[in-house]
Amino acid sequence: QVQLLESGPRLLKPSETLSLSCSVSADSLSSSIYYWSWIRQSPGKGLEWIGYVFYGGSTSYNPSLKSRVSISADMSKNQFSLKLNSVTAADSAVYYCAREVRSGWFYFDFWDQGALVTVSS
Amino acid sequence: SSELTQEPAVSVALGQTVRITCQGDSLRSYYANWYQQKPGQAPLLVIYGKNKRPSGIPDRFSGSGSGNTASLTISGAQAADEADYYCNSRDSSGDHVVFGGGTKLTVL
Repeated sequence: QVQLLESGPRLLKPSETLSLSCSVSADSLSSSIYYWSWIRQSPGKGLEWIGYVFYGGSTSYNPSLKSRVSISADMSKNQFSLKLNSVTAADSAVYYCAREVRSGWFYFDFWDQGALVTVSS
Repeated sequence: SSELTQEPAVSVALGQTVRITCQGDSLRSYYANWYQQKPGQAPLLVIYGKNKRPSGIPDRFSGSGSGNTASLTISGAQAADEADYYCNSRDSSGDHVVFGGGTKLTVL
């Protein structure tokens, strides 16, 4: 059973950088069958995939956010992180970190409880 | 294509069967997964791959697909099934993750 725990500031001002980290309980961050994603959900809206990092530190990002996003992993800390630059009120959302499994098909099996991040002046 | 389309809302009478659909070009290459989300909670995987159910998910949940369309069927819907349901897959390139817009299920 994997547990994911987010940390980072929950209140930001416009133009600041959102920084969140997700600690992974099991030593699975270095496994080649898992992709580690950030996903967000604006109030009353649907799920929006932000990007992932996987084995070896390779990344992929949502094209709509790519210019502002960076995701990285620190194997020594069993942790992966999200940075989103130049935030605006439109970036206010619940941010989830989640594990995606590649085992013949791709699916998200574990999610954290989510963290509400608010951007306000 | 990087879009998955779901109907915004569906309702079902208690104990009846309901089907929620998800359409997108990527579903010709990748299976759809289905997640249940209740207010204030994280999404919960209910169906993945070729009609697989995670441990603890009732067998009234099932999945199917053909061509560019995937479906989640709930047979004998319960009040506890009232929630938002999201489909997801990889996009056609395989490099990106996509989600449907979500379907709000009401159990009457």
